[in-house]
Amino acid sequence: DTAVSQTPKYLVTQMGNDKSIKCEQNLGHDTMYWYKQDSKKFLKIMFSYNNKELIINETVPNRFSPKSPDKAHLNLHINSLELGDSAVYFCASSHSNRGLGYGYTFGSGTRLTVV
Amino acid sequence: LAKTTQPISMDSYEGQEVNITCSHNNIATNDYITWYQQFPSQGPRFIIQGYKTKVTNEVASLFIPADRKSSTLSLPRVSLSDTAVYYCLVGDIGIYNQGGKLIFGQGTELSVKP
Repeated sequence: DTAVSQTPKYLVTQMGNDKSIKCEQNLGHDTMYWYKQDSKKFLKIMFSYNNKELIINETVPNRFSPKSPDKAHLNLHINSLELGDSAVYFCASSHSNRGLGYGYTFGSGTRLTVV
Repeated sequence: LAKTTQPISMDSYEGQEVNITCSHNNIATNDYITWYQQFPSQGPRFIIQGYKTKVTNEVASLFIPADRKSSTLSLPRVSLSDTAVYYCLVGDIGIYNQGGKLIFGQGTELSVKP
């Protein structure tokens, strides 16, 4: 039973299109995140939601719009896709009240290729 | 957030112990040290976390000297399946457990050979 699941796993699309990536977690966590991993393997946070409220919004183009319908879901919609958006996008979740010895749980990623 | 420095890559052979050291000279009093492991085509996976001295779990050990300016992840008797990228992160657990952000550095690409 997958803890953090993302769909689709692969996404190939043309420049200018609009696409969405979905994420769901069944861990009962109250915080969810989107991270972007570029070709050089650097992982950078994009957004963080706690109980459906946006709490972190890094310097991300406003073509990227996250939506959290409930605390178990965090979707990412991308408008007018550009070549530079090609990357692997990871969803993650955590529990805000968890203490020492705990970490984030990541999904397996969505590889987005813009052509 | 404290900046971390790790070797870009390391090679090892099956059965050996591997030690990956991370430097974090500007670590703050409230910062914890956390290590993640990322296999190809997968998301990072939490390995271990500590504040000082030594922490051990079923996967690895984490050694932190008294000044906390560095830490060493120790993987006992590695196998081919331990080939992955290992990330060292330093930050206030209170912040990133309340929806704060994990800052990932470059990571260390460990290659285990037969």
